[in-house]
Amino acid sequence: DAGITQSPRHKVTETGTPVTLRCHQTENHRYMYWYRQDPGHGLRLIHYSYGVKDTDKGEVSDGYSVSRSKTEDFLLTLESATSSQTSVYFCAISDTPGQGASKNIQYFGAGTRLSVL
Amino acid sequence: GDSVTQMEGPVTLSEEAFLTINCTYTATGYPSLFWYVQYPGEGLQLLLKATKADDKGSNKGFEATYRKETTSFHLEKGSVQVSDSAVYFCALGNAGGTSYGKLTFGQGTILTVHP
Repeated sequence: DAGITQSPRHKVTETGTPVTLRCHQTENHRYMYWYRQDPGHGLRLIHYSYGVKDTDKGEVSDGYSVSRSKTEDFLLTLESATSSQTSVYFCAISDTPGQGASKNIQYFGAGTRLSVL
Repeated sequence: GDSVTQMEGPVTLSEEAFLTINCTYTATGYPSLFWYVQYPGEGLQLLLKATKADDKGSNKGFEATYRKETTSFHLEKGSVQVSDSAVYFCALGNAGGTSYGKLTFGQGTILTVHP
């Protein structure tokens, strides 16, 4: 299994509070991704990173920010949590997309279940 | 833009039944195609993949063939087991340009297999 740790695994918070989710990898992969999973929507990309300090928005980035100060850590922050951000959040990593047999393969963490009350 | 459409679920089967989960895609270029599986309470795991037209991906008795002419990547298994109960996601990855390895996922299909 790829060495990906998400923390916390479960969190309950109140509307309006800031929340930070952490993804830590031990694989030294360059690319990291944050998704949210909601019934009927599959996985939707929130933000992604293609290197230290290099990040970009995905399809559902409003209300979220990210930071990557080290290769191994990718943080997702909800600046002011809303009930619509109640979801399961997954981190994924990838190595050298677009090359060879391993191109585009992503490896996923176990997820963080977030409830915003 | 790229998109993936999966058959709607949930799918309920008896053990040893034949499984098909349909997946069609829209994409530019020559994407790679994937099936991921998510067991209860876990993250997604790669089940199989195909990187070019007519490739067949296979793993754990599951198979899928990359059909460019029909833009499809249907998942099949000849005899399902209770342990195959999970959510299955079809996904597409475009390697070109500034894709940065991003994947586009279908909405997922819940499979339940009864003894």
